[in-house]
Amino acid sequence: DTAVSQTPKYLVTQMGNDKSIKCEQNLGHDTMYWYKQDSKKFLKIMFSYNNKELIINETVPNRFSPKSPDKAHLNLHINSLELGDSAVYFCASSQEQAVGGSPLHFGNGTRLTVT
Amino acid sequence: AQKVTQAQTEISVVEKEDVTLDCVYETRDTTYYLFWYKQPPSGELVFLIRRNSFDEQNEISGRYSWNFQKSTSSFNFTITASQVVDSAVYFCALSEAKTGTASKLTFGTGTRLQVTL
Repeated sequence: DTAVSQTPKYLVTQMGNDKSIKCEQNLGHDTMYWYKQDSKKFLKIMFSYNNKELIINETVPNRFSPKSPDKAHLNLHINSLELGDSAVYFCASSQEQAVGGSPLHFGNGTRLTVT
Repeated sequence: AQKVTQAQTEISVVEKEDVTLDCVYETRDTTYYLFWYKQPPSGELVFLIRRNSFDEQNEISGRYSWNFQKSTSSFNFTITASQVVDSAVYFCALSEAKTGTASKLTFGTGTRLQVTL
């Protein structure tokens, strides 16, 4: 059973379109994340939700809107796609403990290509 | 601000050689966590290890070992007797200790390890 699953795996679309990436985790974790990996492999956090509440919101354009219908799901909707949005987007989850620092379990990534 | 530096962009070794991947970090926190992740050519991110700032014991897991030295702010990763399957990009990451909400990982830029026959 896949622990953190994202769909789709590949997404090719044109500039100006709106698209969504879905993420589901079956680990029972309370916290979910979206990370972006650019063409140079640099990984940067975008958002984090804990029990459906937004906890981390980095300086991401407001064209990106995460939605968490329940603690097992965290979707990412992107409006008016731009060429610079092309990247691999990773969903992750963790079970936060009292002392923090829990390891993140990542999905397999969604490669978004904007043409 | 937290920062993780992986100065080695790419390393090439021949199978069975030992290889060490360097990681140097900066943080003002006294309590923090360090991680290593592996990203094979297939693209997924695989968690390898987590250390907290109070535990400086070295750790060994099979052919993998980690050397945490607080005095030099380093958390280096050694692969003994490397194999072709070890070829991947390896990321070091740092997280501050925050209670019960979310772990914000700061990643290094990664080291690409190429193991050839």
